[in-house]
Amino acid sequence: AQSVSQHNHHVILSEAASLELGCNYSYGGTVNLFWYVQYPGQHLQLLLKYFSGDPLVKGIKGFEAEFIKSKFSFNLRKPSVQWSDTAEYFCAFILTGGGNKLTFGTGTQLKVEL
Amino acid sequence: GAGVSQTPSNKVTEKGKYVELRCDPISGHTALYWYRQSLGQGPEFLIYFQGTGAADDSGLPNDRFFAVRPEGSVSTLKIQRTERGDSAVYLCASSLSGQGAYNEQFFGPGTRLTVL
Repeated sequence: AQSVSQHNHHVILSEAASLELGCNYSYGGTVNLFWYVQYPGQHLQLLLKYFSGDPLVKGIKGFEAEFIKSKFSFNLRKPSVQWSDTAEYFCAFILTGGGNKLTFGTGTQLKVEL
Repeated sequence: GAGVSQTPSNKVTEKGKYVELRCDPISGHTALYWYRQSLGQGPEFLIYFQGTGAADDSGLPNDRFFAVRPEGSVSTLKIQRTERGDSAVYLCASSLSGQGAYNEQFFGPGTRLTVL
């Protein structure tokens, strides 16, 4: 079955540290990839997405992600985190031609300390 | 503009009871989705509507779960004979169209269901 793995369940960083959250998907075909973020007390919202083209995609708030097809990975990065980045981050995909249902990973809880 | 809204925000019920959860999508969005998020997990797909019809209900766990969208706008998720394992946050999302992943799904705040 198709699935998404997020290996880091809890991450604690100091402000200005660099961030990389891992995401691997399990599916042999073509997928569209997403990162969603849920800030404390807020709704899930889209951070960035990859459909095709340049495998390095940039999203809101200085986040970026790189699609590496050979590794089935779509890791999220940010060079310098801020306290306001404290949130839960979810990687997800949609199968190309497979309707519009999102398959999510289990999420990574990021805490940024001052 | 208004986002996706869900009512109630919290629902506590007893095992065996029937519950209804409501979702109001963003105006003009033809596609509507229900997901369920259990503690410590990511959201899991339940069902997707395109207009009034359920285009994909492959995520509904069993026949106790049912959802409707009679006029192509508001949707109701119905759970019969609730079980403790149904306790979760039920999320609703909507998008302009269900055609292709290009249409961003906008999520509501969720309904936290607790079955005692």
